[in-house]
Amino acid sequence: GQQVMQIPQYQHVQEGEDFTTYCNSSTTLSNIQWYKQRPGGHPVFLIQLVKSGEVKKQKRLTFQFGEAKKNSSLHITATQTTDVGTYFCAGPLFGNEKLTFGTGTRLTIIP
Amino acid sequence: NAGVTQTPKFQVLKTGQSMTLQCAQDMNHNSMYWYRQDPGMGLRLIYYSASEGTTDKGEVPNGYNVSRLNKREFSLRLESAAPSQTSVYFCASGLAGDYEQYFGPGTRLTVT
Repeated sequence: GQQVMQIPQYQHVQEGEDFTTYCNSSTTLSNIQWYKQRPGGHPVFLIQLVKSGEVKKQKRLTFQFGEAKKNSSLHITATQTTDVGTYFCAGPLFGNEKLTFGTGTRLTIIP
Repeated sequence: NAGVTQTPKFQVLKTGQSMTLQCAQDMNHNSMYWYRQDPGMGLRLIYYSASEGTTDKGEVPNGYNVSRLNKREFSLRLESAAPSQTSVYFCASGLAGDYEQYFGPGTRLTVT
């Protein structure tokens, strides 16, 4: 069925290493959003990408939207302990009234 | 601005009991949502309300009912709680369906 998949499900990195999570949709999306959820917290909106091939940066975070608007990635350069959490992508898979969230990638940092 | 507020923060129910989870937002958003989050399952949509006066089923609506009381408030009711409803419940709101969503702090519900 239609869905949004994320890989990997878990990632453990040494502090200072880079991290990437990938998001793939079964259908073309009008936009893709990324959220971060700290352990014990609630999801917090990070960014929205709308255009095909769009790249946006927020300090050490780089977000990309694929040319076909079916996939996206989040790359963190030189991870810090504050990056710990689960990163979700989300898109309007079934019309524009709601979002479908990916399964999430849980990032842990080894100091 | 308080953003999105949820009550209660924690709740323990016995099987068969009922309860209502409350959610309110002060951002004048049109759309409101209820999700549940289980380990390894991500966020699954239970019900949503695209505008005041409308509600629709999401991915996992069975065992739940909702009420969009007014533009600010969206409640979730469990009529007869079951252990399978043990989860963390998040309410969220947004300007419209495909805009960014703002989440409440969550309600941690245990059904024994």
